[in-house]
Amino acid sequence: GAGVSQSPSNKVTEKGKDVELRCDPISGHTALYWYRQSLGQGLEFLIYFQGNSAPDKSGLPSDRFSAERTGGSVSTLTIQRTQQEDSAVYLCASSLEDRAIDTQYFGPGTRLTVL
Amino acid sequence: AQTVTQSQPEMSVQEAETVTLSCTYDTSESDYYLFWYKQPPSRQMILVIRQEAYKQQNATENRFSVNFQKAAKSFSLKISDSQLGDAAMYFCAYTRGGSNYKLTFGKGTLLTVNP
Repeated sequence: GAGVSQSPSNKVTEKGKDVELRCDPISGHTALYWYRQSLGQGLEFLIYFQGNSAPDKSGLPSDRFSAERTGGSVSTLTIQRTQQEDSAVYLCASSLEDRAIDTQYFGPGTRLTVL
Repeated sequence: AQTVTQSQPEMSVQEAETVTLSCTYDTSESDYYLFWYKQPPSRQMILVIRQEAYKQQNATENRFSVNFQKAAKSFSLKISDSQLGDAAMYFCAYTRGGSNYKLTFGKGTLLTVNP
């Protein structure tokens, strides 16, 4: 595709429900990153994939958060038993490889609101 | 741990004038990269400019340039001939060299361009 796409654009859910957020990276990009943007915490790293493997999950805030990537392409971030503090914009980025020199291209994000 | 600090939550500039956004960072690494990203209301983060720490020459991209002071750990962004389309949130970001390249972001500076 032309750029990184994310769906849904907006998601409103009730506390305690599970949600899935999807990221479609740029075709051919092997590295994929998830970040969270919230008013209180700013932009923070969650997890990154190289291919289908996740060498760094250090940013996942709790075991309610998980992510997977299949076929070296699409990634899904799952939040179980959502809490109000999970409300944020979830951004996905992809790069050609997982090297610092490779530009990370961001998607438009998914705004999650937990009521 | 690496930290990135943007001390100006908001800045404003008149159209066609020049503005400088400040950023300082802290790291013990010798190989790293610094970035300025722009986030307009559409939420999509766009890379503005990148600086490799090993390069002494300041990066320039059209109207955007940086003042990289490695010893002072300072990385400011200068926008010349400001345009209305430059209005956005600007984030300074850091990543270390090598592989895995999660970005560490500052809190951002909201730039307003006045006609």
